[in-house]
Amino acid sequence: DGGITQSPKYLFRKEGQNVTLSCEQNLNHDAMYWYRQDPGQGLRLIYYSQIVNDFQKGDIAEGYSVSREKKESFPLTVTSAQKNPTAFYLCASSNPRGARHGYTFGSGTRLTVV
Amino acid sequence: GQQLNQSPQSMFIQEGEDVSMNCTSSSIFNTWLWYKQDPGEGPVLLIALYKAGELTSNGRLTAQFGITRKDSFLNISASIPSDVGIYFCAGQLGASGYGGSQGNLIFGKGTKLSVKP
Repeated sequence: DGGITQSPKYLFRKEGQNVTLSCEQNLNHDAMYWYRQDPGQGLRLIYYSQIVNDFQKGDIAEGYSVSREKKESFPLTVTSAQKNPTAFYLCASSNPRGARHGYTFGSGTRLTVV
Repeated sequence: GQQLNQSPQSMFIQEGEDVSMNCTSSSIFNTWLWYKQDPGEGPVLLIALYKAGELTSNGRLTAQFGITRKDSFLNISASIPSDVGIYFCAGQLGASGYGGSQGNLIFGKGTKLSVKP
């Protein structure tokens, strides 16, 4: 079955460490997105990519980095510059070239700083 | 960035009751979508709306694309315990395409629904 897979489901990070969240899709979608979710804040866009080897900053990109070397993969790195990284992170994808038919979301990664 | 105003923020209802929630914006949208998120999971698409005035149902759920294209409504009839979760509205402003964010979805902050058996 086609879908979008995020891993790991739970991730613990020590202060000052970089961590990378994985997002893989086999839906042949062009566009991929990363969102951060905090209680009561809704979904906030971190980065998005509309095509391989290209990506754009969203509303809260500071302290995060991404790459899009393959159509299927859009990993997110939470760097030590992100001061409050504890949150639920959601990856999504869409086709064709946009959102008219909605995004397909992964099941999320919960990141906790310890 | 652009915002959608979704209300209410939370609802506590008795099983069997009907539920209504809505989203409004100062901008005109050409697509409205409604998602449900179960605890600890990603949102799942419930209903998509593409034309002003469109009314679409999915089981006990009914959603409408407002005539002004600036709002949308979701109704749930005869609620059951598994309706618990967060419901998000989302809208698309303009045409999709590379090099711009017009095709990106804009999300409301969600309505958290609790159902008492």
